[in-house]
Amino acid sequence: KQEVTQIPAALSVPEGENLVLNCSFTDSAIYNLQWFRQDPGKGLTSLLLIQSSQREQTSGRLNASLDKSSGRSTLYIAASQPGDSATYLCAARSNYQLIWGAGTKLIIKP
Amino acid sequence: DVKVTQSSRYLVKRTGEKVFLECVQDMDHENMFWYRQDPGLGLRLIYFSYDVKMKEKGDIPEGYSVSREKKERFSLILESASTNQTSMYLCASSFTASSTDTQYFGPGTRLTVL
Repeated sequence: KQEVTQIPAALSVPEGENLVLNCSFTDSAIYNLQWFRQDPGKGLTSLLLIQSSQREQTSGRLNASLDKSSGRSTLYIAASQPGDSATYLCAARSNYQLIWGAGTKLIIKP
Repeated sequence: DVKVTQSSRYLVKRTGEKVFLECVQDMDHENMFWYRQDPGLGLRLIYFSYDVKMKEKGDIPEGYSVSREKKERFSLILESASTNQTSMYLCASSFTASSTDTQYFGPGTRLTVL
């Protein structure tokens, strides 16, 4: 059974730093790996989707990588800003279902 | 832009009450999903639907039922609410079941059962 883990559960960094969020999964037989952002009291917004045949995806200051063989994905945020403060969740798609990590709560200090 | 709306942002109900949570999407998506989100556990799938009047159980369907009479609307029903169903409920939709399609989420309903 697929399990997805995100460590750390919370992270606080000064504004301007580059940072990496980690996501690991136990079963490499995935269709894709997705990263979402959740702001307090709001739903989730899709950030990046990496197909199983891809190694990475980029959107602006965000870059997500996927290494199926090691069961890992990372989300790289360049030049962090206070507006990046949110909870970041990763989800691995197995068959029709997304299996979710518990998220990393990110705080960017001005 | 895809819009997924949920009928209530906050709900407070009493144990044993029947609770309806409504979700509507405006982009003609085939698939709709209900999740619950609890601290430290991430999102867990309750039910999903890939077509009108079709439903499939997710990981935690016990104590819940769903209804999809129209393509744009997917309802979650708690037949007899219990305190362990206090949670954030999130609705989502996706265009198809393709691996390239992401899910779009509503703002969530925070349900408290007393």
